[in-house]
Amino acid sequence: AQTVTQSQPEMSVQEAETVTLSCTYDTSESNYYLFWYKQPPSRQMILVIRQEAYKQQNATENRFSVNFQKAAKSFSLKISDSQLGDTAMYFCAFILPQGGSEKLVFGKGTKLTVNP
Amino acid sequence: EAGVAQSPRYKIIEKRQSVAFWCNPISGHATLYWYQQILGQGPKLLIQFQNNGVVDDSQLPKDRFSAERLKGVDSTLKIQPAKLEDSAVYLCASSFPGGFYGYTFGSGTRLTVV
Repeated sequence: AQTVTQSQPEMSVQEAETVTLSCTYDTSESNYYLFWYKQPPSRQMILVIRQEAYKQQNATENRFSVNFQKAAKSFSLKISDSQLGDTAMYFCAFILPQGGSEKLVFGKGTKLTVNP
Repeated sequence: EAGVAQSPRYKIIEKRQSVAFWCNPISGHATLYWYQQILGQGPKLLIQFQNNGVVDDSQLPKDRFSAERLKGVDSTLKIQPAKLEDSAVYLCASSFPGGFYGYTFGSGTRLTVV
């Protein structure tokens, strides 16, 4: 079974600084998809960034970027120039192609607080 | 485009009562998911539909939970009878088949069982 581990239950950062959230996952497959989702207090899960395992280039979305280390099964999220609105729970998630029964598997999350 | 709609936003019931949640996915998304998120944890998949057929309900407590997706669009999730441990946020999400471009989530229903 696929598992996703986020080892940092809580983190904090000062506004305008950079923070990195860690994620590791476990699979024996070579083709899969990784995601970071943000869940603010409003509860809605918002897709932050997506990475396809067969692509070596790390994904970037504005202030958000990932460090994808396939051999180490590591997928960390870097947030640059942190803003107060980045305060939220962040979940790392994983999909393994399974011929129609794919499902998103989540880690337990990291609570990020951006301090003014 | 309109997002995934869920209702109600909050619900408080007594144990052993029944409750139902509703979800309207994004138009064109064939796959619909119900997740349960207990406080402090990541979401856990309860059931996955492809159009109006069930793909995966292995984590659904079938003695008390049921779900349907009529006509392959809207879906309802029901709990009967509710237990204290069912207190959680119930998230509905939809995607194109496979979900490889990510899911779109609704705002969830926070259920409190007292």
